Amino acid sequence: QQQVKQSPQSLIVQKGGISIINCAYENTAFDYFPWYQQFPGKGPALLIAIRPDVSEKKEGRFTISFNKSAKQFSLHIMDSQPGDSATYFCAASLGTYKYIFGTGTRLKVLA
Amino acid sequence: DAGVTQSPTHLIKTRGQQVTLRCSPKSGHDTVSWYQQALGQGPQFIFQYYEEEERQRGNFPDRFSGHQFPNYSSELNVNALWLGDSALYLCASSLGERETQFFGPGTRLTVL
Repeated sequence: QQQVKQSPQSLIVQKGGISIINCAYENTAFDYFPWYQQFPGKGPALLIAIRPDVSEKKEGRFTISFNKSAKQFSLHIMDSQPGDSATYFCAASLGTYKYIFGTGTRLKVLA
Repeated sequence: DAGVTQSPTHLIKTRGQQVTLRCSPKSGHDTVSWYQQALGQGPQFIFQYYEEEERQRGNFPDRFSGHQFPNYSSELNVNALWLGDSALYLCASSLGERETQFFGPGTRLTVL
């Protein structure tokens, strides 16, 4: 019940296309859902985050869509660029405590 | 504004040894969390420190211990190292009751 399932494992998108990564959770007590971007050899960097009382949040080219009834949330990267090539992790947390991370999606954007 | 810093960057140890990793939180943050990230996996929560006490712990053995100092910096200690401890160890900091955690660059530990 503590797991966060992330898909796909890897994703290849053409430059200018839309990248979509999905996550699902079981524990309805989760109340904070961040997305992180990680480049090889670096720590995860916060991209965008959402709380379950909001169905969508947009920051620049990044959008989180949240479906509370389905217990699913997704990251959309619009106008994907080669510089977006990285591994993306969704996460869920209970308040201020530990994050439960998904298994990651390796995104490659072709020039 | 300095972000989260960690030292050392890389570390090589042999089985059975002990290791200490260090973390300085982002300026103004008072809460430090530690995560272990195996190659190709998502980070796994080890424990969180707030007000110099361990506030919550993940599913890690007692070989993993930590400490938080009055200046909010933190150490992660791992005793009796074994091959499976090889991973990137990440420190994240946050402010009190706020959820957002900011990660450092990590320490790459290799156990031979």
